[in-house]
Amino acid sequence: NAGVTQTPKFRILKIGQSMTLQCAQDMNHNYMYWYRQDPGMGLKLIYYSVGAGITDKGEVPNGYNVSRSTTEDFPLRLELAAPSQTSVYFCASSYSPRYGETGANVLTFGAGSRLTVL
Amino acid sequence: AQKVTQAQTEISVVEKEDVTLDCVYETRDTTYYLFWYKQPPSGELVFLIRRNSFDEQNEISGRYSWNFQKSTSSFNFTITASQVVDSAVYFCALSEVGSNSGYALNFGKGTSLLVTP
Repeated sequence: NAGVTQTPKFRILKIGQSMTLQCAQDMNHNYMYWYRQDPGMGLKLIYYSVGAGITDKGEVPNGYNVSRSTTEDFPLRLELAAPSQTSVYFCASSYSPRYGETGANVLTFGAGSRLTVL
Repeated sequence: AQKVTQAQTEISVVEKEDVTLDCVYETRDTTYYLFWYKQPPSGELVFLIRRNSFDEQNEISGRYSWNFQKSTSSFNFTITASQVVDSAVYFCALSEVGSNSGYALNFGKGTSLLVTP
């Protein structure tokens, strides 16, 4: 059981380039998330998805796009990379509340992708 | 506004000392969840505990214990007899049922704990 898999682990981009961070989970979780972590700032939510075909913006969505064509995959697209997007990116997933439950199940995180934009 | 405040940026202790990491949260929801995650130097995020707003019982798991007090909006984490392997960044996080964000976690800025021999 791989859990949440992120690729690549490291990447250096030049300003203006584009790339996609891949995220896949094999736990059949409905909910998926992308966070970025900057030094001393905690984790900030970029985008989230509550199921295939449904995505929505988080706290810091500018400069990013996502798609969710399958339950398993939730790629994060960076268009026109900027130095401000230098960060560590974490993908996470959780299962949706079951009938009778109220939300907030445990998020399982990937190992992270370190992106540097020069 | 910061919903989760971890006022201690860095803490340094000597092995076997007890240490408490503070977490203060802010929410208008009556139903919410609080979490602690550990991020060791290797960088992964490790789940430690989840607590819902209706359960104020303190919890102990080995050397770890958590004190949840709704009256002061705090969810503090204590490590007893700290060990070098406890050195990590610890994050407190809040999920509000009414936030309409897919139960995403709102993280504090983290507390970096260094335990020296």
